[in-house]
Amino acid sequence: KNEVEQSPQNLTAQEGEFITINCSYSVGISALHWLQQHPGGGIVSLFMLSSGKKKHGRLIATINIQEKHSSLHITASHPRDSAVYICAVSGEYGNKLVFGAGTILRVKS
Amino acid sequence: GAVVSQHPSRVICKSGTSVKIECRSLDFQATTMFWYRQFPKQSLMLMATSNEGSKATYEQGVEKDKFLINHASLTLSTLTVTSAHPEDSSFYICSARFAGTRLTDTQYFGPGTRLTVL
Repeated sequence: KNEVEQSPQNLTAQEGEFITINCSYSVGISALHWLQQHPGGGIVSLFMLSSGKKKHGRLIATINIQEKHSSLHITASHPRDSAVYICAVSGEYGNKLVFGAGTILRVKS
Repeated sequence: GAVVSQHPSRVICKSGTSVKIECRSLDFQATTMFWYRQFPKQSLMLMATSNEGSKATYEQGVEKDKFLINHASLTLSTLTVTSAHPEDSSFYICSARFAGTRLTDTQYFGPGTRLTVL
């Protein structure tokens, strides 16, 4: 079993839909990261959180430390949101990131 | 936000040659830089952790003589793929972290370098 599991692996949505991507982890962490990778390959760090909830524009990230679970929500999805979304965790002693396999999101117009 | 650049963005080389990839933090001092490799349709794999002024720490299975890492300054780390072979063809990504008071400081990722070895 991987230390970081994401679901779903693939997601296709219609423009405007509310999207949720889930991430579960099995190790103690100091922080959880949500990353976005566009087809060209570049990676953007969307959120880093260790508790509660963060919001940036149409993106919301939540984390439940007790349940070892995080969700990334996209409201009013748009085709430009199409990308791979990656969950990664920093271990209890920080430093290295452990990555999930990623969720491929396609938003159709 | 903080910006990390990589150069070149794409390189094609002949088998047996060496290729150098640069990773720069443009507006902050990065005490730690990470080098990742990504195969098609797979997630990132950490290759090594580079701390300014000291030797890089390589992950298990990564050949340090094959992938030379130099973190010569607080804004620049280089990865040299020596005697490249077609199996080294991959997408290489660096990230940089500036040390604050917490271990959980964000990593900022570069745009990546696509290496193709013929």
